[in-house]
Amino acid sequence: NAGVIQTPRHKVTGKGQEATLWCEPISGHSAVFWYRQTIVQGLEFLTYFRNQAPIDDSGMPKERFSAQMPNQSHSTLKIQSTQPQDSAVYLCASSFPNERLFFGHGTKLSVL
Amino acid sequence: GEQVEQRPPHLSVREGDSAVITCTYTDPNSYYFFWYKQEPGASLQLLMKVFSSTEINEGQGFTVLLNKKDKRLSLNLTAAHPGDSAAYFCAAGTGGYKVVFGSGTRLLVSP
Repeated sequence: NAGVIQTPRHKVTGKGQEATLWCEPISGHSAVFWYRQTIVQGLEFLTYFRNQAPIDDSGMPKERFSAQMPNQSHSTLKIQSTQPQDSAVYLCASSFPNERLFFGHGTKLSVL
Repeated sequence: GEQVEQRPPHLSVREGDSAVITCTYTDPNSYYFFWYKQEPGASLQLLMKVFSSTEINEGQGFTVLLNKKDKRLSLNLTAAHPGDSAAYFCAAGTGGYKVVFGSGTRLLVSP
């Protein structure tokens, strides 16, 4: 079991460019979560999927951010027209219901 | 919805001292909780999962206390050592999938 896999580990984009972050959850886990982590804001919930269906995206900025889970083996977080304030570590996690979240190592996004 | 407040945001102690991190939650229906540890450059790793049925939970070098009346969860590192230096996050769950995380505490243990 390789755990939750996130790619890339680091991504550098220019302001206004698009960034797509990938997550491969642990096989068999029914929920996938996306969080954003910064020094200032801490760990912010963005969105989660249950059995591939979007359940709660209350933490997603309404513009420019979107997440998808086209199949049970991966999820993507897309940020359009990236801004410097989007710079953060984006964490993906997966779990069974009522169980601990297993986190990936994150993707560090730097927007120049 | 559930809100979790975690204090302090930063904590600095000397080796051998105790360190206490506290979270207060708002939803009385929360019945399971987590503490995660995040070392620099690494992802979050589970320290302990506790249920509301157990008020005192002993771990390796730490104790997690749950006060349901006050809706307070605490992590007590009994004799901190430099290897405990990390960020710590609490989380509360009411069932299903989603848990709400505290904002984190950065602990520094100096020799």
